[in-house]
Amino acid sequence: GENVEQHPSTLSVQEGDSAVIKCTYSDSASNYFPWYKQELGKGPQLIIDIRSNVGEKKDQRIAVTLNKTAKHFSLHITETQPEDSAVYFCAASRGNSGYALNFGKGTSLLVTP
Amino acid sequence: KAGVTQTPRYLIKTRGQQVTLSCSPISGHRSVSWYQQTPGQGLQFLFEYFSETQRNKGNFPGRFSGRQFSNSRSEMNVSTLELGDSALYLCASTPGQNTNYGYTFGSGTRLTVV
Repeated sequence: GENVEQHPSTLSVQEGDSAVIKCTYSDSASNYFPWYKQELGKGPQLIIDIRSNVGEKKDQRIAVTLNKTAKHFSLHITETQPEDSAVYFCAASRGNSGYALNFGKGTSLLVTP
Repeated sequence: KAGVTQTPRYLIKTRGQQVTLSCSPISGHRSVSWYQQTPGQGLQFLFEYFSETQRNKGNFPGRFSGRQFSNSRSEMNVSTLELGDSALYLCASTPGQNTNYGYTFGSGTRLTVV
């Protein structure tokens, strides 16, 4: 089955700096790569996703890049703010109905003022 | 638009008991998936239902079961609870006919087995 590895497990940055989280996947048939943010006491919230026909996608301060040849994708957060502090999860899936999302183990991001 | 609603938010059960958790998806969403979240194993897929049929199942023992009703609401049941079943159980919904894009998660049910 699909195996998703995520690094680093913890990341501490100063407010205003950039944060980068990286994930690799094993199933070459995966073509859907969402990122989720989970705050304490809440369920994961979808923040951005990318599909395999796109190499990069941006939404304000958040961007995701995908390298299908190398089977890795990354989340970039620029101009970090304290409210960005949370656990971030990457996931990979074949995207078709009936296929589950396979999640990485998460990255705990702390943004210090 | 109401989000995914999970009830109850918290549960404490004793080993050997059984438990039923409930999930109401976003209106119009027909696919409901369940995940178990623990600090050690992360988010692990339990099963997915679409139009009252189980469409996919993860690698969990038969003590874990689920169902979906005609209004798309779903329940999951865990029988003969073990200490290791303590976890946050998350439900997610998507419109779900052909793709699994855009899972929306509920806030989860925190199950503690003592």
